[in-house]
Formats: sequence, C-alpha cells, structure tokens
Amino acid sequence: ELKVEQNPLFLSMQEGKNYTIYCNYSTTSDRLYWYRQDPGKSLESLFVLLSNGAVKQEGRLMASLDTKARLSTLHITAAVHDLSATYFCAVDKPGANSKLTFGKGITLSVRP
Amino acid sequence: DSGVTQTPKHLITATGQRVTLRCSPRSGDLSVYWYQQSLDQGLQFLIHYYNGEERAKGNILERFSAQQFPDLHSELNLSSLELGDSALYFCASSTPSGRALYGSYNEQFFGPGTRLTVL
Repeated sequence: ELKVEQNPLFLSMQEGKNYTIYCNYSTTSDRLYWYRQDPGKSLESLFVLLSNGAVKQEGRLMASLDTKARLSTLHITAAVHDLSATYFCAVDKPGANSKLTFGKGITLSVRP
Repeated sequence: DSGVTQTPKHLITATGQRVTLRCSPRSGDLSVYWYQQSLDQGLQFLIHYYNGEERAKGNILERFSAQQFPDLHSELNLSSLELGDSALYFCASSTPSGRALYGSYNEQFFGPGTRLTVL
C-alpha cells in the first residue's frame, strides 16, 4: 500500500525567514503533486513533479523531487503571511488506477 | 477557480437519511474522482470514473455509490447516513486523453467541495 508522510504537521514560520518542508512516500513513483488548501476551501494545484531531479518554482515556493530517496521538498523563501495555508503532497502510480494518495498535510502559519 | 463545480456547498441532514452530491468536471475532462476529507482520516480517495465507467474504488463504504452520466457529470450518493459521515466531499477532474490516463501524469483539479453535516 502506498503511504505518503509529511513532516512536520504544523510549522510556525517567522516572516522573512526560509523554511523547508518534506514529503516522503513508500513506493516507487516518479509523479508527485503539491497542493495548497486554505481553511474551508478547495485544493489548489501548485506543482507537478514528474521525474527524478525535477525542480519547479513559483514565487517564493520551490519544489523538488528525489525519486531514489522517495522524497520531495518544498522550500519557502522569505515567508510572507499570504503563504499561511495547509500544503499537501500526493503521489500516484501510472496506470488505470490513477488515484492520488495524499499525505496528512502540513499547516504553515506565518507570524510577523 | 478550477472549472470544476459541485453542488450543494453545504448539506445538513439527519442520521439514516440519504443525500446526493453533484459534480461537473472541467470542460473536456473525462475523469472524475471523489475524495472525502475529515479531520481524523485526512483526504481519502473514494472512487474514480472515466467516461462513464468505474475505474477504481478506494475506501468507499457500501452505503455510498456513485455514477457518471453521459454528459460527464457525476453524482455521489450517500445513504443510511451516520454521524461519522460528516466531512468535506471533493470531486476532482483530470485530463481527458488515453495517453494521459495511462502514460503521463494525472494532475487533478478540485471542485469547491460539499460540506456534509450529519446530525
């Protein structure tokens, strides 16, 4: 069974500082997705990482994928309040059964 | 706005009742997925339909069923509701082609969700 773990589950960040959050998964996959969810809202797709060494950047967020280590990182540069949200990573395996298996999410809170 | 629509936004009902949640995928998407999000279980995959056919089942209870219609909208039916069924229910849709389904990636776009409260 595919398992996805995220840590930490909650992170209090100080404005202006850099942070990294992690996503581990349990089985071979080269497809990893990052989503953002604001409280009570839907999930917004942030990044799709499709191969070992893939790196994607959008604004203050940069995501990378190491398929050999089964690890993805999301790096936050100079945190700002607008980044406060819950971030989920998800993994799927190619094929007809293309459900996404999600981690429990990491809630980020940016304080002044 | 992802282009995926869900109705209703909120649903309050009593134990034992039956409800229907509706989802319309993005224009052109043939796949619809249903997920349940609760505090204790997190985001759980329920079921996947592709162009009217069931493709995969996850942790979906026997009391729950779904279908996808010829116009590609989907309905999730929840019956004999229990307090523990209270959750946010999301549907998502994804890219339409066969190549995308089997050989490429599967970026899913989520609807706004239906918040179900069972009293």
